[in-house]
This record gives sequence, structure tokens and C-alpha cells, in this order.
Amino acid sequence: QSVLAQPPSASATPGQTVTISCSGASYNIGSSYVYWYQHLPGTAPKLLIYRNDQRPSGVPDRFSGSKSGTSASLAISGLRSEDEADYYCATWEDSLIVLGGGTKLTVL
Amino acid sequence: QEQLVQSGAEVKKPGASVKVSCKASGYSFINYDINWVRQATGQGLEWLGWLNPNSGNTGYAQNFQGRVTMTRDTSIATVYMELSSLTSGDTAVYYCARGLGCTSPTCLIRYYYMDVWGTGTTVTVS
Repeated sequence: QSVLAQPPSASATPGQTVTISCSGASYNIGSSYVYWYQHLPGTAPKLLIYRNDQRPSGVPDRFSGSKSGTSASLAISGLRSEDEADYYCATWEDSLIVLGGGTKLTVL
Repeated sequence: QEQLVQSGAEVKKPGASVKVSCKASGYSFINYDINWVRQATGQGLEWLGWLNPNSGNTGYAQNFQGRVTMTRDTSIATVYMELSSLTSGDTAVYYCARGLGCTSPTCLIRYYYMDVWGTGTTVTVS
């Protein structure tokens, strides 16, 4: 069982906006930053969002992150077929990294 | 550019150990931690622990304490992850990832994350 709670799946059609939630506690999300990773099959995970809402260079602005209290969200707008992947949230808790269980995004 | 290249696939028998390497290039090796994360088939990502290449200090996830050992060879900018007493449940793709953050109690906000990921190593226990 993962420390951070994510819905196991999400789906939407191309062009739509999808939001993935990540729920934690005061001692993890509530006291640190949240990070999001995109994991495409057969490839290494990729940092998508850092410090709650910042995008590394090269990540399209269709991807956005937010955090409020002990929860965070990843929004993907203008959905594309290549966005079909697993998405994980992560944060820092007392000397270790904690991860969400991952959300499998299907582009219908 | 920053790169982490891992060793090739391994097949091991139950009860054996496996040692996976992760070679860094394109950045100052001793200035960033190396973390290890795995993904078993059909499962999510699972964090194993970290190593500081400068000091050799390590931190392991509770689930793996006593079974995982992380070491480094600074002369070749390589970190190793050894996992012992393997079972079929350890069959997974293992990734190394560069770690950075501010975790000292003096940090205004304590944080830590992984930015550059390795190529992945498939370990099969059978």
C-alpha cells in the first residue's frame, strides 16, 4: 500500500483536460514539495513537475501541477495520444522518498 | 548531457544475490545522490534507498533494510546496488536516479527528489 493515494486509473478523449489527484498527510505533502513523474512503457520515468508547479525545460505547458494543504493535482490539457502513460506523485518524508501508487492514464 | 547508464539484464535463482551498477556521466558525480527505484511487472514504482557518492552514506527504505546494500566507486563514477536473498517478488526493472534537495533541519522547506533517471536493468528471479 502506497503512502500517497492516487486513483488507479483515469481516462479522457484527445483534446480534453484530465486531472490526477494525489493525497497525503501533514508530515509529507503538507510539509514539502510535490513532484510528478511520467512513466511510458519500456522507458525510464521522466520528471514532469517539480516543486509543486514547476516544469523542467522541455515539458510542454499542457502539463501543470498544484498543491493545497495535504493534496496535490496534476492537470493535462489538450490531451494527446502520446500522453498515455503512468503518472506518479512523490514527496519527501522524514529521510525517505514516498510515492503514490500511480495512475494509468488512457487516452480514448 | 547528464546520463546514468546501467548494467545489463540479470537472471538469478531464488536465494541468490544480484548487483546492479549505475555509471554517471555529464555532471559532477560526487555532488548528487543516487537513488534506486524498482517496478515489478504490473506494479507501481517502489523506492529502495539512496547513496551519497561523496560520503558513502546511505539510507534504505524499511522494506529493504537488511537485504539491500548500496556502494560506490568514485574513481569510475559508478554506484552499485546489491539485493540479497532474492525471491520471485524481486523480479522487476531496477532504475537508478539522481537525487537532490535540501534535507537538513535548517532548510526552510525540506525537500528531495529525483531528476535524471538511468536506463533500467531487468532482474529476473527464477
